[in-house]
Amino acid sequence: GAVVSQHPSWVICKSGTSVKIECRSLDFQATTMFWYRQFPKQSLMLMATSNEGSKATYEQGVEKDKFLINHASLTLSTLTVTSAHPEDSSFYICSAKGTSTNSPLHFGNGTRLTVT
Amino acid sequence: AQTVTQSQPEMSVQEAETVTLSCTYDTSENNYYLFWYKQPPSRQMILVIRQEAYKQQNATENRFSVNFQKAAKSFSLKISDSQLGDTAMYFCAFMKLTGNQFYFGTGTSLTVIP
Repeated sequence: GAVVSQHPSWVICKSGTSVKIECRSLDFQATTMFWYRQFPKQSLMLMATSNEGSKATYEQGVEKDKFLINHASLTLSTLTVTSAHPEDSSFYICSAKGTSTNSPLHFGNGTRLTVT
Repeated sequence: AQTVTQSQPEMSVQEAETVTLSCTYDTSENNYYLFWYKQPPSRQMILVIRQEAYKQQNATENRFSVNFQKAAKSFSLKISDSQLGDTAMYFCAFMKLTGNQFYFGTGTSLTVIP
């Protein structure tokens, strides 16, 4: 089945530094990738939608200058949390959708970010 | 905007019994897809089942089946012969055909009791 690799699975960084999270579709081309944030025992909150070769579409309330998204190829999207603060600590999940209209989302394993 | 509602934050079921998780949604779209995803403690999101809105027949996948009521905008998940490994958060999700955006419900935490 379709596999999405997300790296790293966990990261600890100091306040003020930047962290990059990678999301790769390993065996299919993903024209669209999504980035979600999930707080404990809550649902997935869509942060942004990225399409290969174009600027990401951010959901209302998500700071695009803080959460930089790049979708440089059909198999790779990155999320960079810039100038991280403790309140950015969370679980971030990426997902990728294949090119077919009815393709479901395939999820990465998530990244737990802790900002100290 | 699309909204997805799961009115049962927590549920439990005895092993081998059947349980039904509820989901309703609101949309003005006529064609769309609906999904149920499972998130076990590992936090990996796993696709359980999906339904195309234009199909009247309810989708089934082994022990998992749905009751799709398009007019009522209802999409419930039935788990038969519940197993301990079914313990997880379950999210109902809606996908528009245009824009490819997914919308998730708030989730139902299911515990299977041995």
